[in-house]
Amino acid sequence: QKEVEQNSGPLSVPEGAIASLNCTYSDRGSQSFFWYRQYSGKSPELIMSIYSNGDKEDGRFTAQLNKASQYVSLLIRDSQPSDSATYLCAVRSGGYNKLIFGAGTRLAVHP
Amino acid sequence: EPEVTQTPSHQVTQMGQEVILRCVPISNHLYFYWYRQILGQKVEFLVSFYNNEISEKSEIFDDQFSVERPDGSNFTLKIRSTKLEDSAMYFCASSDVETQYFGPGTRLLVL
Repeated sequence: QKEVEQNSGPLSVPEGAIASLNCTYSDRGSQSFFWYRQYSGKSPELIMSIYSNGDKEDGRFTAQLNKASQYVSLLIRDSQPSDSATYLCAVRSGGYNKLIFGAGTRLAVHP
Repeated sequence: EPEVTQTPSHQVTQMGQEVILRCVPISNHLYFYWYRQILGQKVEFLVSFYNNEISEKSEIFDDQFSVERPDGSNFTLKIRSTKLEDSAMYFCASSDVETQYFGPGTRLLVL
């Protein structure tokens, strides 16, 4: 059973701080990794994708991938109250396109 | 910016009734998906569709479920005889190759 694990949180950070979200996955053959943001009652919204080991930066967001450790993370710099949401890690494995989602980490940014 | 659209946004039905959920994927995308999210739980893959046929389906996607692309724009999910446990948010997604973009979802309530 291919799984994606995340701490459910809540992760509480003050405004302006760095939020660090982590994800591990079980399938070594996984090839593509995605972070989605989901506000309550809404659909997943893509934040970033990452495919190779290392860091990938996009604005205030940095995704980090370590395939040897089967670990993906998302850093959010200068966190804002509007970043308060559930962050979903999703992994694509094998030759198919289906995404396997983690349960999500709830982030709360307080002023 | 192109987006995936879904109708209806909410659907209430009686157990045993048939429902059809509709999606219009992003126009130049070739891969289409249905996912569901039971309240408080993970986003779960149901089915993927490419080149007018199912490319993969999960264990959830049993004989009660079917998908169709009846014309060049719509992509539908039919549940033939709804059960109480089918109550969930149903998300349609589409992708070009890698990145999946989600529609706003249909909240299905089976009474």
